[in-house]
Amino acid sequence: DAGITQSPRHKVTETGTPVTLRCHQTENHRYMYWYRQDPGHGLRLIHYSYGVKDTDKGEVSDGYSVSRSKTEDFLLTLESATSSQTSVYFCAISRGEKTGELFFGEGSRLTVL
Amino acid sequence: DAKTTQPTSMDCAEGRAANLPCNHSTISGNEYVYWYRQIHSQGPQYIIHGLKNNETNEMASLIITEDRKSSTLILPHATLRDTAVYYCIVRNQAGTALIFGKGTTLSVSS
Repeated sequence: DAGITQSPRHKVTETGTPVTLRCHQTENHRYMYWYRQDPGHGLRLIHYSYGVKDTDKGEVSDGYSVSRSKTEDFLLTLESATSSQTSVYFCAISRGEKTGELFFGEGSRLTVL
Repeated sequence: DAKTTQPTSMDCAEGRAANLPCNHSTISGNEYVYWYRQIHSQGPQYIIHGLKNNETNEMASLIITEDRKSSTLILPHATLRDTAVYYCIVRNQAGTALIFGKGTTLSVSS
């Protein structure tokens, strides 16, 4: 257990509404990541963070924003949710500077109607 | 980061060794090979990684060819719980986040 908690675990929302997913870690690791996973596409990186207020875009960042105001929390926001953002979202952290060894949360399943 | 090629699916009998291949012919000298697996509906799980020497841990062994253009993940005695999608990823230690491909679906049956 890497001390990663994602919330909410399940959410159903309507098109056009804002949604925020939260990733919380208890171990003060520097690197945090948001991925989404869809059938036929595998895991795709959305955004990542390498410290407080330090974030960067991944493969599929359009339509998403992130914030990291505290080491322990990495927030993923969909400003105006669309049906194409229906997915399972995974948060991950890496311990220390070995950024190839990631530990994932249990996932948040988002359905946009 | 170098691209990897894995078979889409593989089958293995319970108790036998599962050998999962990965081609990474464009790998460069400072790039590591990482293996993860994902059991249905769970988050991916780190298994093992290596640079050029063979590696072994409590979960698996990683065999990297001498030219480093391919590798094999070995699960020595597969169990039903090893049924999962296995991802082979190549990246350097200074790189950004891991980029996952589609992986190999390993089905272990009794």
